[in-house]
This record gives sequence, structure tokens and C-alpha cells, in this order.
Amino acid sequence: DQQVKQNSPSLSVQEGRISILNCDYTNSMFDYFLWYKKYPAEGPTFLISISSIKDKNEDGRFTVFLNKSAKHLSLHIVPSQPGDSAVYFCAASGPFNTDKLIFGTGTRLQVFP
Amino acid sequence: DTGVSQDPRHKITKRGQNVTFRCDPISEHNRLYWYRQTLGQGPEFLTYFQNEAQLEKSRLLSDRFSAERPKGSFSTLEIQRTEQGDSAMYLCASSPQRDMNTEAFFGQGTRLTVV
Repeated sequence: DQQVKQNSPSLSVQEGRISILNCDYTNSMFDYFLWYKKYPAEGPTFLISISSIKDKNEDGRFTVFLNKSAKHLSLHIVPSQPGDSAVYFCAASGPFNTDKLIFGTGTRLQVFP
Repeated sequence: DTGVSQDPRHKITKRGQNVTFRCDPISEHNRLYWYRQTLGQGPEFLTYFQNEAQLEKSRLLSDRFSAERPKGSFSTLEIQRTEQGDSAMYLCASSPQRDMNTEAFFGQGTRLTVV
């Protein structure tokens, strides 16, 4: 049972435009959500997170939105840059400070000039 | 400290052989995790240590797999009698223990190929 789902395996965006990556989850007990970025042959790198008590968190070009009623979160990257080209994983944990992460299958983002 | 370190980066082994991987977490982190990632999938949780105590093991961790963290610092993951299905990227991560959720920091992984 896939508790965290990323239904778009790939996304292609022009440089300077907005990239929107989506993630859905099924377990209502998740209370912490994270986005990781992964380049080939490297481990995932933490990007941004959000607690379930918030609906938005922003860090520079990256913003994560959480819609708990829809069990949906999204990552917005504005403006997109070629260096953002990577695989992006959505992850969730919980409840109660359980740091074990449940990952989605990833979305490959390609930013072209 | 430069981050989570894993050794080796790559390992090719024959089916039936035993392999051992090492992970050195960020020094002040007392939580350590092992994940496995196969092609086209996200990382899957295998096991988790808080200091030297192994607190949780996934059902993915068959009896051929064993993990240790004897002194609460580095950890080893051993796979006995390797099978071709064990071929994957094995990722280690660490995090500090805090009252609130915090992100885990990953190493670069060990890519295992069983031939």
C-alpha cells in the first residue's frame, strides 16, 4: 500500500517559469512532510518541510503548501533554474515525532533554457 | 563534520556472498536510519537506531539482514547470502533527537550489485 504518492513521474519546465510538484498521502496520522531533491548517484538532499499545523512554508525560491483536508501537498519552485533539474521526493512521517520517513516514488524535474 | 559518510560507495558481489556496509552519521546525531532504494522507487525504510538501541525494523528486513550500532556512533548493515533481488542503493541517514520533528540527513549511499 503506497501511503505517499507522486503521480507525475516527470515534469518539464522552462527556465524562469514556475515548477509545481504534487504529492498525495493516505495516512491521516502523518504530521510532518518533507521534500528531498536527488541527483544521480547521490543521496537525497533535504529541501523544505512543513508541519501539519501549518498550511504553507516558504524558503527562498521554494514554497510548500499543505492541504490536510485533501491530503495533498505541493512544492512550488519560482523561478525554476536549470540546476533544479533532479528527482524530487515527497516524504511523510508521524505521528508524534516518529522520524521514520515514508517516501513517494519521485518526480523527475527537467528545467530547460 | 562534513555530513553522513557511507563506505563503500559501490560493491559488486557474487550471489551467495556476504557483504557489509558502514555508515558514519553526523557526530551529534543520535538517530540513525537505513533505507533501500531500487530503480524507479523512493527510498524504503529498513531500520532505525536511537543511540545503540535498534528501535524499529521493517518487514523488508529479512533474517539475512542485520544491522548494528554498537557504540551509538557508526553503524554497519550486513547482508548474508546475497540474492540478485538485494541489488539496490543502500542509504544511511541521521538526525538529532529533538522534541519536534526534524529532517534526516542522508549519505551518498552504497550501490550494491549482486551478479
